[in-house]
Amino acid sequence: GNSVTQMEGPVTLSEEAFLTINCTYTATGYPSLFWYVQYPGEGLQLLLKATKADDKGSNKGFEATYRKETTSFHLEKGSVQVSDSAVYFCALSGRGGAQKLVFGQGTRLTINP
Amino acid sequence: NAGVTQTPKFRILKIGQSMTLQCAQDMNHNYMYWYRQDPGMGLKLIYYSVGAGITDKGEVPNGYNVSRSTTEDFPLRLELAAPSQTSVYFCASGDLGSGTYEQYFGPGTRLTVT
Repeated sequence: GNSVTQMEGPVTLSEEAFLTINCTYTATGYPSLFWYVQYPGEGLQLLLKATKADDKGSNKGFEATYRKETTSFHLEKGSVQVSDSAVYFCALSGRGGAQKLVFGQGTRLTINP
Repeated sequence: NAGVTQTPKFRILKIGQSMTLQCAQDMNHNYMYWYRQDPGMGLKLIYYSVGAGITDKGEVPNGYNVSRSTTEDFPLRLELAAPSQTSVYFCASGDLGSGTYEQYFGPGTRLTVT
């Protein structure tokens, strides 16, 4: 079946540091890939998405590129802020049907001033 | 728009008790989902619905039931609560016909079974 593996956390960085959170997936066919973010006490919000190979999703300074050859969708940001502290989830959904999401285990990110 | 709302925010149940977690959305989305999030784990799909009157099992449906009598509401029922159902429950909705692929999540219900 489909699965997502994320870099284990927690991750702690200083403000303005470069961020990478690794995500790899196993899926049949050509899934859509997502990064969701969960701020403390809130539900998940879509951060960015990519629906086909070589697509780059971007939002709020975060980027991730759909790499079919390495089955990866790593999240990057050039300069993190304290407000980026949250839990980040990589997820995929198969084509068609009800677009059910399969999530990675989440990576907790803490940014220190 | 209120988006996706869930009630209650917190609940403590005794083993064997029953309860219903409420979920409502005001975005006229056809698709709705229930997930559970265990500590240190990703979300797992419990049940989903592709429209009023249509529901189907997800990855972890045992111990739960759902119904979808209207587009707006998608309640999740726990009939005989067990400690293994201690978790945070998230409801989500999506309008996949628009091609956006985005699911919108509620704030969650934290359930403890003791």
